[in-house]
Amino acid sequence: DADVTQTPRNRITKTGKRIMLECSQTKGHDRMYWYRQDPGLGLRLIYYSFDVKDINKGEISDGYSVSRQAQAKFSLSLESAIPNQTALYFCATSGSGTGNEETQYFGPGTRLLVL
Amino acid sequence: ILNVEQSPQSLHVQEGDSTNFTCSFPSSNFYALHWYRWETAKSPEALFVMTLNGDEKKKGRISATLNTKEGYSYLYIKGSQPEDSATYLCALSGGSYIPTFGRGTSLIVHP
Repeated sequence: DADVTQTPRNRITKTGKRIMLECSQTKGHDRMYWYRQDPGLGLRLIYYSFDVKDINKGEISDGYSVSRQAQAKFSLSLESAIPNQTALYFCATSGSGTGNEETQYFGPGTRLLVL
Repeated sequence: ILNVEQSPQSLHVQEGDSTNFTCSFPSSNFYALHWYRWETAKSPEALFVMTLNGDEKKKGRISATLNTKEGYSYLYIKGSQPEDSATYLCALSGGSYIPTFGRGTSLIVHP
């Protein structure tokens, strides 16, 4: 079984709809991250959480919110989806030490299309 | 947020060619540099993590070096194969830094 899972894997929604992307991990990591990937722009950090009570904005948090329901779960919400949020979204986890413990482990990605 | 730059943006080589690309970063307050391999339709997967100036890591035909004083890391692929085709990402982490990824180098190896 995959260590980091994301649901749904694909989603088509309409402008203005609220949607939630979910991420679960079995690695026992404290740190979790949400990224979006757009062609030519690499991975951009949306939000990150270093433990259950810690939530931080990343580079591009406008239009998104997150919830860290438990150590193993980190959800990303689009309150009112817009077409330029069409992208591939990745969840990732890492340990809280240094060096090798900061290696990130990625989920399979959620492909989102906002019409 | 740190400025992590990768070059070239894309690279086409022939099977059997050796190649290398660069990750540049601010040299001050360095903690750790990571290389990831990202195949099309898959998720990024870790290749190496390096923390010390002069570190060299190797996995099969792929190796990496780190120069923290001048702020760069090289990734080398010896005898490229079509299965090496992927985007290679570098990332800085550690301390108070938000983990920061470069935009990647897209490698295409032609048979």
